[in-house]
Amino acid sequence: EPEVTQTPSHQVTQMGQEVILRCVPISNHLYFYWYRQILGQKVEFLVSFYNNEISEKSEIFDDQFSVERPDGSNFTLKIRSTKLEDSAMYFCASSPDRISQETQYFGPGTRLLVL
Amino acid sequence: DQQVKQNSPSLSVQEGRISILNCDYTNSMFDYFLWYKKYPAEGPTFLISISSIKDKNEDGRFTVFLNKSAKHLSLHIVPSQPGDSAVYFCAASAGNTGKLIFGQGTTLQVKP
Repeated sequence: EPEVTQTPSHQVTQMGQEVILRCVPISNHLYFYWYRQILGQKVEFLVSFYNNEISEKSEIFDDQFSVERPDGSNFTLKIRSTKLEDSAMYFCASSPDRISQETQYFGPGTRLLVL
Repeated sequence: DQQVKQNSPSLSVQEGRISILNCDYTNSMFDYFLWYKKYPAEGPTFLISISSIKDKNEDGRFTVFLNKSAKHLSLHIVPSQPGDSAVYFCAASAGNTGKLIFGQGTTLQVKP
């Protein structure tokens, strides 16, 4: 069964450093998402992406964040200058089409720790 | 942001019995609701969904009920199995945007 993959599974970085989290969505999916879950808190929407553009973003997704689909398979989340409060589990998700946008398939997550 | 609430942090049931997980929402614009299951060290896995035009959707052992007037939905698992032990998240969406708003999750433990 096709699945969303994410790399790395864990990343430790120093405050102020840039990190890039990588995702390979399910191959025929058209919509892509990033969510995060701070330890002990809810899963929070960050951004949705379709047709090489951001469709929607939350207030969390400020200028320090960016997303990119550099080729036909990868979908990346970049945090330019990490802060302590960026420590969280980051989940990538994808969905097949506009009608099924809400039925999202999640990757296993990247645990980011900012020191 | 408390638009989607799961007031029970945990639930324990005996194998073979019914598990009922509850979820409340406040935003009347929500028109699509989903349940996800999550095991430790894994991402959420889609379980079942329901559109606001329906009040019930069933898939095998899983049934989701929607009460729009009460802004309440529930997930019934019958019969419960030990493998169902996981964290269950309720999520909601408005206007086919793809933006899911999640509840805090309920940890279900099914005892053999």
